[in-house]
Amino acid sequence: EAEVAQSPRYKITEKSQAVAFWCDPISGHATLYWYRQILGQGPELLVQFQDESVVDDSQLPKDRFSAERLKGVDSTLKIQPAELGDSAMYLCASSSGQGGHSPLHFGNGTRLTVT
Amino acid sequence: AQKITQTQPGMFVQEKEAVTLDCTYDTSDPSYGLFWYKQPSSGEMIFLIYQGSYDQQNATEGRYSLNFQKARKSANLVISASQLGDSAMYFCAMRPLNSNYQLIWGAGTKLIIKP
Repeated sequence: EAEVAQSPRYKITEKSQAVAFWCDPISGHATLYWYRQILGQGPELLVQFQDESVVDDSQLPKDRFSAERLKGVDSTLKIQPAELGDSAMYLCASSSGQGGHSPLHFGNGTRLTVT
Repeated sequence: AQKITQTQPGMFVQEKEAVTLDCTYDTSDPSYGLFWYKQPSSGEMIFLIYQGSYDQQNATEGRYSLNFQKARKSANLVISASQLGDSAMYFCAMRPLNSNYQLIWGAGTKLIIKP
């Protein structure tokens, strides 16, 4: 079965540095999501794309986080500058539609540690 | 307000026994979808099963089944014949079917299968 690809798998960075995560969704999936997950909690949506357009970024801390999906396929999430509180798992997911019946398929995630 | 409640923070179950993970939800939308995900310690979020609010029968996928009680707003996950590999965090989630609302997540239940 096709998978959502994410890289890197792990990232350690110092605070105030820039960090970027990459995601390639399942082929043909128009909807792409970036989530942040603190250990022991449920995921929190950061940004949702429909093709190349942002549908929801209300929870994205825009002073330091940015996300793009220029050609409507793969996507990059950037943090600049990173803060200690950004340490978390960053999950990318895709779905074939925006409707509530479409399950999200997740990548393996990027575990970020900010020191 | 839309909300998912998972009242069991953690559960210990003997291998080969059946397991029921509780999930209750609150929504005013008449049409919605309910999802269960498994998250092993490695971090990836794995889609398990989906139930639509208008589905007449409870969903089943292999050893997973969903005990859907619409009047009680309950969507419990049942795992038959548990295995050591079932040890993980389990998340219940909900989304209205006909909108772009984000997935609402529960806090999760940590399941540990004892040999």
